[in-house]
Parts: sequence; C-alpha cells; structure tokens
Amino acid sequence: GAGVSQSPSNKVTEKGKDVELRCDPISGHTALYWYRQSLGQGLEFLIYFQGNSAPDKSGLPSDRFSAERTGGSVSTLTIQRTQQEDSAVYLCASSSRFGVGEAEETQYFGPGTRLLVL
Amino acid sequence: GESVGLHLPTLSVQEGDNSIINCAYSNSASDYFIWYKQESGKGPQFIIDIRSNMDKRQGQRVTVLLNKTVKHLSLQIAATQPGDSAVYFCAESSYYNTDKLIFGTGTRLQVFP
Repeated sequence: GAGVSQSPSNKVTEKGKDVELRCDPISGHTALYWYRQSLGQGLEFLIYFQGNSAPDKSGLPSDRFSAERTGGSVSTLTIQRTQQEDSAVYLCASSSRFGVGEAEETQYFGPGTRLLVL
Repeated sequence: GESVGLHLPTLSVQEGDNSIINCAYSNSASDYFIWYKQESGKGPQFIIDIRSNMDKRQGQRVTVLLNKTVKHLSLQIAATQPGDSAVYFCAESSYYNTDKLIFGTGTRLQVFP
C-alpha cells in the first residue's frame, strides 16, 4: 500500500479483556516498530522487529503486552487483561534499512489505534 | 538516562510569521535527528532529518539547524500557515543504535490568522 495502515482505528474495551491491534507496514520495509502515545505525551517505544532477527522487546511495559510479525510483514500487538492505564494511542511505524532518498532510518507512521479501556 | 526534550511546550504565532521550535538532546552519541509533525488524530509525519555531519538542512519552507556543541536542534518554519498547526516532535538516534528513535515530548504550534 501507499503507507502504513492500522486497524482498528478505534477500540473500546472493558477492563480485563484482551485486545489485538494490527499493523500493515509499507511494502518492502524490513523494520517495524510499535509505540504508545498517551494523551498529550510523546511516543513511548514498545517493540521493534527487523527482518528475521529476534525482536527488541525492551520497551514492553509488562508481560501482558506481546507482539508478533508474521511473514516479515503484518504485525499484531496483543494486550492481555487490559487495564485502564493501557488507554492510549498505539502507533505503528515501518522503515527500510536499505532505502534511498531520505535516510534509511526514517520511520513512517500509521494513523494509530485509539484504545480506550473502561 | 538519555533523553530528548523540548524547551517550549506551546508556541503561538501569527500567520505569515516565522516559527522556531527548539529541542535539546542529551545523548552526545546521537548522530541522526528527525522532526515529525503530528496533526490531531493522525500519526506523526516525517518533516525533515539531519545527520550530525551537517549543521543545517533546508526543505520546503522548513530548515533544521543542529548545534552539536550545545546539543541543540531547532526547526524553523518560514511564513507559517494555519495548516502548520500541529504538535512537533524531535527524535534522535545513534549510529550504533539506529533502529531505536528517542522522541521528545512535543511542542504544540498554534497559528493564528
């Protein structure tokens, strides 16, 4: 596709329920990132995938958070037993380590999934 | 720990004026910097980047200045327009850890007619 897409765009869930957030990166991008953005705050790094390497999970806030990337493309971020403090915008970004033009580190973001835990 | 921060949380300017958004970084090993623009309800959008071997880089109506001596980064927007109203984030990374961007908390730019 033309850019990074995420679904759903909005998600309202009850405390204790599990949620899955999906990210479709830009075609051909080898790197995929998940961030969390609380209201009025900056971006908090969660997890990073690069090719077939083991993901960098250093930003995941608890073991309730996990992510997968299947076939080196689509990624799913799962939050188990959601808590109210999980309410935030979850942003996905992708980049190409071997891109041209702008620096290869440039990350392109999706529109985000707005998660509200009641 | 290392961090990226912004001096001004909110900047209000009149349409047509020039805007300057500042950012301080603390990781002296950082050698790549990006400015992102985030409009309400949208994800961050790449504006311009700069490597540490440069002091200045210009784009369309935007200029990024890097002062490595004082670890300061700025984004200049010429002839600010209402469409420039957004939150602006600076982000940094280093050559040895290019895959992880560290973002500042953001500056909100408000443009008045």
